[in-house]
Amino acid sequence: DTGVSQDPRHKITKRGQNVTFRCDPISEHNRLYWYRQTLGQGPEFLTYFQNEAQLEKSRLLSDRFSAERPKGSFSTLEIQRTEQGDSAMYLCASSLGWEAPNTEQFFGPGTRLTVL
Amino acid sequence: DQQVKQNSPSLSVQEGRISILNCDYTNSMFDYFLWYKKYPAEGPTFLISISSIKDKNEDGRFTVFLNKSAKHLSLHIVPSQPGDSAVYFCAASHLTKYSGGGADGLTFGKGTHLIIQP
Repeated sequence: DTGVSQDPRHKITKRGQNVTFRCDPISEHNRLYWYRQTLGQGPEFLTYFQNEAQLEKSRLLSDRFSAERPKGSFSTLEIQRTEQGDSAMYLCASSLGWEAPNTEQFFGPGTRLTVL
Repeated sequence: DQQVKQNSPSLSVQEGRISILNCDYTNSMFDYFLWYKKYPAEGPTFLISISSIKDKNEDGRFTVFLNKSAKHLSLHIVPSQPGDSAVYFCAASHLTKYSGGGADGLTFGKGTHLIIQP
């Protein structure tokens, strides 16, 4: 399977704990994006990387959130001191970073986070 | 404020007929518009996109129309099939200002749940 993969698929944690999610993009894609989706909403952009450089961060990404892509391949998203409001589906997407029309982003299955 | 709006939370269409999903946007600087389809417990799947300099793009049963003056786009599915039942998201993007091309993060609408009835 050469699609975007995410691990774990589900995570249940207690408020105040730290969690880390992993995303493996499509191998030749140099752009990697993180989104968050809550019930009844569309995905909301959090941050994205071109290779290992983090280019943009949304104001939704509070200082409890940190994302890395150390070798320009897989990425991790860490949430520290989780709150119940962090419960959501966390989606990762990747794309080729070339000129249009290659602007399509291909999504992974997501990690469902539940904070108790 | 919501820059991409899908005002119909759900739409029911009979199998074989045309499904028309609508989307409005407020930011005239968007460069690309995309439609994604999402099944429960899966990530969104890309369907079709259109550049802001075009007014129509077609791919098989799917056609997207863009009316820039009205800041409106629509997705037509003809004929509708049972497997088309899913949530459809409209999204918009800016081409990035950074070197290397590609797009910044997508801005999504809230989605429309399409139900195809036999």
